[in-house]
Amino acid sequence: EVQLVESGGGLVQPGGSLRLSCAASGFTFSSCAMTWVRQAPGKGLEWVSAISASGGSTYYADSVKGRFTISRDNSKNTLYLQMNSLRAEDTAVYYCAKVRSYYPTFDYWGQGTPVTVSS
Amino acid sequence: QSALTQPASVSESPGQSITISCTGTSSDVGGYNYVSWFQQHPGKAPKLMIYDVSDRPSGVSNRFSGSKSGNTASLTISGLQAEDEADYYCSSYTSSSTLVVFGGGTKLTVL
Repeated sequence: EVQLVESGGGLVQPGGSLRLSCAASGFTFSSCAMTWVRQAPGKGLEWVSAISASGGSTYYADSVKGRFTISRDNSKNTLYLQMNSLRAEDTAVYYCAKVRSYYPTFDYWGQGTPVTVSS
Repeated sequence: QSALTQPASVSESPGQSITISCTGTSSDVGGYNYVSWFQQHPGKAPKLMIYDVSDRPSGVSNRFSGSKSGNTASLTISGLQAEDEADYYCSSYTSSSTLVVFGGGTKLTVL
């Protein structure tokens, strides 16, 4: 059974940093691209970032480019999202998802981890 | 403002069919057959319902179908059931630097 479990969310002040993790199991993690998608309170889904299976290629939404860094450790079956210079508008539930084949075929999702940016 | 345009809400009676549209441009929906649809119930994670415009993942009811014409993709749900009441989001690959774009979401109410 595919499982994705996010962690690392919480309350952080504007300008602060946070690192999210996504522990994967039930599939060959090193063979799959992965992605982060967020959802602000009461709003729709927003794609944030993606990374290839090897980690050699990374992609970012314009809204987070230069502030967020996606990475992965295939030996630990874990995906990461390093978030720096956080802003109030980054407040959201952050989901990690597995990419089935091509973007945006996100076939399995975690339960999400909430991030609140506030003073 | 979302990159893909969806109606904010739709409603229909149980047993009927409904179609949700998703309009983009030739740089996304119109240019590639990489359109997905996701269902999201309140407080839950999204669920993939359709991918590659019209393919269904294993386990998804065949009451859900997808199609595309020009720059507009569509999700059709036939034989509406109460459990179909949820938010639906379309998403597409895009040739812009963004890689992936989502629609703003459509709230489906089964009357």
